[in-house]
Amino acid sequence: AQKITQTQPGMFVQEKEAVTLDCTYDTSDQSYGLFWYKQPSSGEMIFLIYQGSYDEQNATEGRYSLNFQKARKSANLVISASQLGDSAMYFCAMREGTKGRRALTFGSGTRLQVQP
Amino acid sequence: DAGVTQSPTHLIKTRGQQVTLRCSPKSGHDTVSWYQQALGQGPQFIFQYYEEEERQRGNFPDRFSGHQFPNYSSELNVNALLLGDSALYLCASSLERGGSTDTQYFGPGTRLTVL
Repeated sequence: AQKITQTQPGMFVQEKEAVTLDCTYDTSDQSYGLFWYKQPSSGEMIFLIYQGSYDEQNATEGRYSLNFQKARKSANLVISASQLGDSAMYFCAMREGTKGRRALTFGSGTRLQVQP
Repeated sequence: DAGVTQSPTHLIKTRGQQVTLRCSPKSGHDTVSWYQQALGQGPQFIFQYYEEEERQRGNFPDRFSGHQFPNYSSELNVNALLLGDSALYLCASSLERGGSTDTQYFGPGTRLTVL
């Protein structure tokens, strides 16, 4: 079974509008972390936001927020006020267990295109 | 604050050859992970190094090996290259005692093409 599922291969959004990128995950661990990364065409993975499994509040970082629904095992990324520079691939990733020794498992990504 | 650096940027090799990729972690980080990203896919975990030892490994053959040096920098070695090894190789660094997030920060990657 896929551990991270991103069902939207591609998304379009108008500049200045909000967009939600979907991510569902599968784990039997009680402690885990969920991450979103942005990958522009240059290739570098840029960290955006983190949500811990025990965090009671949804994470926010500037225009990025994470809609964490633990019972549904979903961790959707919301980008508010889209900008042209937001056009990129977006990856959801999970780290199971505790501490940084655990590998990240990535989804297949969503390509976001922001239109003027 | 220096970020994660990788060298070389691009590399072209032929089947059967060997390649070494290099990574310097973000300043203050002590843990290095390597990922392989094939075209159109998400990155896949190869292995992670901490205190100069490999402490977790993904589903990759022994042709993939690595090393971490006392200054925390790392190398990824791939022997007997196959066409399927063509990919973007990403290095990520983190801090073992970085708190609950232990976020991995990635370098720009090395694009390897095997002909």
